[in-house]
Amino acid sequence: EAAVTQSPRSKVAVTGGKVTLSCHQTNNHDYMYWYRQDTGHGLRLIHYSYVADSTEKGDIPDGYKASRPSQENFSLILELASLSQTAVYFCASSYRGGEVFFGKGTRLTVV
Amino acid sequence: QQKVQQSPESLTVSEGAMASLNCTFSDGTSDNFRWYRQHSGKGLEVLVSIFSDGEKEEGRFTAHLNRASLHVSLHIREPQPSDSAVYLCAMSITGANTGKLTFGHGTILRVHP
Repeated sequence: EAAVTQSPRSKVAVTGGKVTLSCHQTNNHDYMYWYRQDTGHGLRLIHYSYVADSTEKGDIPDGYKASRPSQENFSLILELASLSQTAVYFCASSYRGGEVFFGKGTRLTVV
Repeated sequence: QQKVQQSPESLTVSEGAMASLNCTFSDGTSDNFRWYRQHSGKGLEVLVSIFSDGEKEEGRFTAHLNRASLHVSLHIREPQPSDSAVYLCAMSITGANTGKLTFGHGTILRVHP
């Protein structure tokens, strides 16, 4: 089964600080995604990438940057963390047109 | 943008009784539908993927899709306490980028022994 590993699994950040969430996949998938999940809500797409060194905006990109330095790695960057960015963040990957595999999530608390 | 409504928000069933979850969507652009299960504090586990009208069974989980009615459902046969979780429906458009998913808000399922 596809392996998508997120780090850290949880983090507390201060308002205005920089936060980097990392994602690593070992299955040679083309596509990688970052979603956020708020309590009681489904997931919403922040950024995605279909090739290294290129990222695309999803449905809620404001306040987030993404970086795909290699096919295996995809990072989500919060340059100036805000309280409203407290959420659980999920990374996912897939082949072109294939099944989507999710990581276990990163719980981010901004204080 | 596609809007997705899940119902009920929560559901409690007894072990062994059928559990039925529903998802309606706002337009017919999506043609890839998935049901995920999320145990508390865990990641998402795909249960059933369905891409055409009709029925798709994966073990105890059966999805029904009716695109004309903008409706997809999940039926869980003989649910067990270990099936207690949040169930999320998600949809996308056929193509390379199938991970560009639109999710519902989820149904909390509780299965009592």
